[in-house]
Amino acid sequence: DAKTTQPTSMDCAEGRAANLPCNHSTISGNEYVYWYRQIHSQGPQYIIHGLKNNETNEMASLIITEDRKSSTLILPHATLRDTAVYYCIVREGYGGATNKLIFGTGTLLAVQP
Amino acid sequence: DTGVSQDPRHKITKRGQNVTFRCDPISEHNRLYWYRQTLGQGPEFLTYFQNEAQLEKSRLLSDRFSAERPKGSFSTLEIQRTEQGDSAMYLCASSLTQGLYNEQFFGPGTRLTVL
Repeated sequence: DAKTTQPTSMDCAEGRAANLPCNHSTISGNEYVYWYRQIHSQGPQYIIHGLKNNETNEMASLIITEDRKSSTLILPHATLRDTAVYYCIVREGYGGATNKLIFGTGTLLAVQP
Repeated sequence: DTGVSQDPRHKITKRGQNVTFRCDPISEHNRLYWYRQTLGQGPEFLTYFQNEAQLEKSRLLSDRFSAERPKGSFSTLEIQRTEQGDSAMYLCASSLTQGLYNEQFFGPGTRLTVL
């Protein structure tokens, strides 16, 4: 699986959009970009994933650059409950592989009141 | 759907003791994963099951660690002769193989402290 690079930490004001970047310059053609987050003392939670098109769900939007070497997770209106560590992961979408998740150290997003 | 549950949530033990953790996945999820997370790090893959078969083990899983999923439902993770370095959060996740994306759902974890 390709490696990802994320900033260690970021701050965001409550109610504003939080934009979390991720670099995955060695991503291969069959690998998807996944985002999970982990609120303190809880297990990771799936947020969103994408291959090459931008994606949106009720939690967030995912913007993937045309060359797929980087992406941005957008939380449109951050709340205090969005304070968490956000992990960007690339892996094959499907297959006989384990589909295990390889986590980095993620980005600690601190939403400020 | 009650989600993935883990028991106990916290365990304190003395070095050299054996401990066992249980994970109950989301019903009908045929894949079950164990991860370990130490302070300040992301979770690290330990092992996974498809139904009752253990199909992959990380090199992190020393011979003191054993995992089972006897009937393809709940799973147990046992650590024998615990060491202080085993102190960590042990996370369980489950998923379905059907469908394209195999999203993993995580439990709340078991926090192990070895004194």
